[in-house]
Amino acid sequence: GAVVSQHPSRVICKSGTSVKIECRSLDFQATTMFWYRQFPKQSLMLMATSNEGSKATYEQGVEKDKFLINHASLTLSTLTVTSAHPEDSSFYICSASNRGGQPQHFGDGTRLSIL
Amino acid sequence: AQSVTQLDSQVPVFEEAPVELRCNYSSSVSVYLFWYVQYPNQGLQLLLKYLSGSTLVKGINGFEAEFNKSQTSFHLRKPSVHISDTAEYFCAVSESDTGRRALTFGSGTRLQVQP
Repeated sequence: GAVVSQHPSRVICKSGTSVKIECRSLDFQATTMFWYRQFPKQSLMLMATSNEGSKATYEQGVEKDKFLINHASLTLSTLTVTSAHPEDSSFYICSASNRGGQPQHFGDGTRLSIL
Repeated sequence: AQSVTQLDSQVPVFEEAPVELRCNYSSSVSVYLFWYVQYPNQGLQLLLKYLSGSTLVKGINGFEAEFNKSQTSFHLRKPSVHISDTAEYFCAVSESDTGRRALTFGSGTRLQVQP
C-alpha cells in the first residue's frame, strides 16, 4: 500500500528555534500534500494544502510566515516552524494524495515540544 | 463547507462484542466519506472509504460502514471486536465535485475494548 514517511518523529527544542519537518511519499507521486495539527485528545485541523511546484494554500488563522511549507518535488514536502514558541507545541501530521485525490495517506506524525 | 459530528467521544465495549461508532455529516455539496484509525502517537491509517457505488463499504480489520444519504450518516461497525481494536477512530469527509481535497474530521471516538 501507499507509504508516507514523516521525519523526525519527535523534536524537543528551545524557544526561538526553527524546526523543519519532512514528509515523503515513498511509493507514489504525491501531487498534493496536506499538513494537519492535532492538539492532545482533539481532532486534526488542516493547516495548509500544498500542490507540487505551487505555493501552499493556508487555512484561515494559520500564519504562513510562521509555518513555511515547501513542496518542491512529487515526493517531498517540508513544514518549517519558524522561531517556535511553547504554544507551537503540538502533534503535526502530513498526508499525501496522488492525482486521483483520494484517499489521503498519512505519515506517523511529529511531536514537537518547545521548551 | 462541511462538518462532521461524532456523537460518542468514548465507547467502552467488551471483547468479542459488536460495536457501532456513529458519524453524521453536513455538507452543501456531494462528499466522499472516510474512516481512519489512530493508535497512540501515530498517524492515521485508512480503514475504509466511500467514493461511489455500493453504500455498504467493507474495510480492513473486519470493519464496515454504510453510507446513508438521507440520514447523512456513515456509521462504522464491527461484529466482534478485539483488544487490539482499542484506538481513536476518526470519521472524515471531503468534497467530491470540487477541487478541494482536504479532509474535514470529526472530533474522534475512543474505542476501549475490555477483556
